[in-house]
Amino acid sequence: EADIYQTPRYLVIGTGKKITLECSQTMGHDKMYWYQQDPGMELHLIHYSYGVNSTEKGDLSSESTVSRIRTEHFPLTLESARPSHTSQYLCASSEENEETQYFGPGTRLLVL
Amino acid sequence: GESVGLHLPTLSVQEGDNSIINCAYSNSASDYFIWYKQESGKGPQFIIDIRSNMDKRQGQRVTVLLNKTVKHLSLQIAATQPGDSAVYFCAENKADSSYKLIFGSGTRLLVRP
Repeated sequence: EADIYQTPRYLVIGTGKKITLECSQTMGHDKMYWYQQDPGMELHLIHYSYGVNSTEKGDLSSESTVSRIRTEHFPLTLESARPSHTSQYLCASSEENEETQYFGPGTRLLVL
Repeated sequence: GESVGLHLPTLSVQEGDNSIINCAYSNSASDYFIWYKQESGKGPQFIIDIRSNMDKRQGQRVTVLLNKTVKHLSLQIAATQPGDSAVYFCAENKADSSYKLIFGSGTRLLVRP
């Protein structure tokens, strides 16, 4: 089991609310990633980070933002949630110079 | 609207039989491939990986085969068990020094008791 954690696991929220999805890893990994996944579908990269103070947008455009102030922490924020943001959000991390990514359990978000 | 995910390719096997899950990849420059298992309500779990300088790699009850000529990857699970029921994803690296992975669309494995 990878030591990567996500909270909350489930979130139901109303349109227009600001939300932050938390992701933490205790493996000391430099690289961290956020993916968006609809039920049964492939994973789409929305953000990634190579280390502290490094953030990049992924291949799928997203209205969310991320920050990387500490190595172990990579939160994702939606300033104003909309029903189109309903999805599962998966966080992952990997070691420097390694491609293998280890995933957290995910956050299922439902925006009403 | 209806989720395309409801029509995820499905492989149904009898418990104890061997399973073979196939994946076609797109980038001939990719040199790293990985299989993940995702159970309902959980994040993807690493199963096995392989680099392009190999054709075959074996793990515990799993074998990955790589055919670079036709850009095809397969995952073989021996003596399939009910706990193997999940969605399986293959992924390839982007081969641009970014360490990013490109995921395939997944195959659902159902194990009949």
